[in-house]
Amino acid sequence: QITLKESGPTLVKPTQTLTLTCTFSGFSLTTNGVGVGWIRQPPGKALEWLALIYWDDDKRYSPSLKSRLTITKDTSKNQVVLTMANMDPVDTATYYCAHPGGFAYYDYWGQGTLVTVSS
Amino acid sequence: DIQMTQSPSSLSASVGDRVTITCRASQSISSYLHWYQQKPGKAPTLLIYVASSLQSGVPSRFSGSGSGTDFTLTISSLQPEDFATYYCQQSYSTPPTFGQGTKVEIK
Repeated sequence: QITLKESGPTLVKPTQTLTLTCTFSGFSLTTNGVGVGWIRQPPGKALEWLALIYWDDDKRYSPSLKSRLTITKDTSKNQVVLTMANMDPVDTATYYCAHPGGFAYYDYWGQGTLVTVSS
Repeated sequence: DIQMTQSPSSLSASVGDRVTITCRASQSISSYLHWYQQKPGKAPTLLIYVASSLQSGVPSRFSGSGSGTDFTLTISSLQPEDFATYYCQQSYSTPPTFGQGTKVEIK
């Protein structure tokens, strides 16, 4: 059974760096082909893909946010960490981590964590 | 980035109605198109992948079709639990992109 859960601060100030952790179970990031992605959703708005890391440490980023994002993995802890620098109020959103299936659809999602950016 | 456009943005329907939602890509994406359902306060759930494959556990009243740039999600007989927002997503190229969503409301 695959599960994922996001954790991190609920409130960050403008210009700060956000660090979110995705803790997962039911699969291993040492297995060929496996990855973990991050997707966010501002309140009342659509989904936006952010980043993805694969078992071989290949990393993909949203071009529009690439300069601000870093994704890493800790296979010993079954965790993936996303950092986003220079946070702005427009980055207020629910942040989800998710497991990509064979054709890069997302078949398992965490519950999401709402991050508010405000001074 | 590939732009995904859904129509309509919202619709009102009754239980038992047949509902069709359309997703159009700004360029050909072959069959790399997936559909999700999202209920308020919840994470999205996968309904259909690669245009027409039904995700395990999803009721058979949901179906998907299309290829290239034009895709359709159909709910054959709308049930009370189907009132939600639906999103399409392409995975043909990075970054994966989502449509703006279609909210299905009770008539």
